[in-house]
Amino acid sequence: DAKTTQPNSMESNEEEPVHLPCNHSTISGTDYIHWYRQLPSQGPEYVIHGLTSNVNNRMASLAIAEDRKSSTLILHRATLRDAAVYYCILGLRGGNEKLTFGTGTRLTIIP
Amino acid sequence: ETGVTQTPRHLVMGMTNKKSLKCEQHLGHNAMYWYKQSAKKPLELMFVYNFKEQTENNSVPSRFSPECPNSSHLFLHLHTLQPEDSALYLCASSQRGRSYEQYFGPGTRLTVT
Repeated sequence: DAKTTQPNSMESNEEEPVHLPCNHSTISGTDYIHWYRQLPSQGPEYVIHGLTSNVNNRMASLAIAEDRKSSTLILHRATLRDAAVYYCILGLRGGNEKLTFGTGTRLTIIP
Repeated sequence: ETGVTQTPRHLVMGMTNKKSLKCEQHLGHNAMYWYKQSAKKPLELMFVYNFKEQTENNSVPSRFSPECPNSSHLFLHLHTLQPEDSALYLCASSQRGRSYEQYFGPGTRLTVT
């Protein structure tokens, strides 16, 4: 299975943009890139996914490198509510494959 | 109720007890999942059900017994657990074929004494 590498932790100031990196150098041509986050005392929640093109939704943006070996989740204006563990996950080509969570990046927002 | 609900939110049980965790989804999904999240470890998938049929058992010990009576409900029956089974148990649901977009419940925090 293709693996992802994320920093263990990051800090950011409130109301500033946050760029969360993910490396996936062994990604295959049809692997999607998915991001989930887990707020304290809650289950994970789906954030965004993409294949090749950059993607935007109401929660975040996903920037995918041209060679697809890395991607960046962008929170445009971090709030205290964005403090969470963020997971970058590959795969699920067929839509029925299982999610394999790593240890993610713990994001701390500084007021 | 909306989304995915789990009851109870907290459970303390002895090693000889039998208890059950309940999950209910109000999203019209047809796939449901059980995950285990131990301290300082990644989430581990335990079971997957598609249209009430178990399609994945990730080498889970038999002291954990899932049940899916319909597409909206999922149970995890527990018996003769060990202290190392203490963890957060999370339920999730999705549309079959869209397992990349799973909706999680808040979890049940289980302590085995």
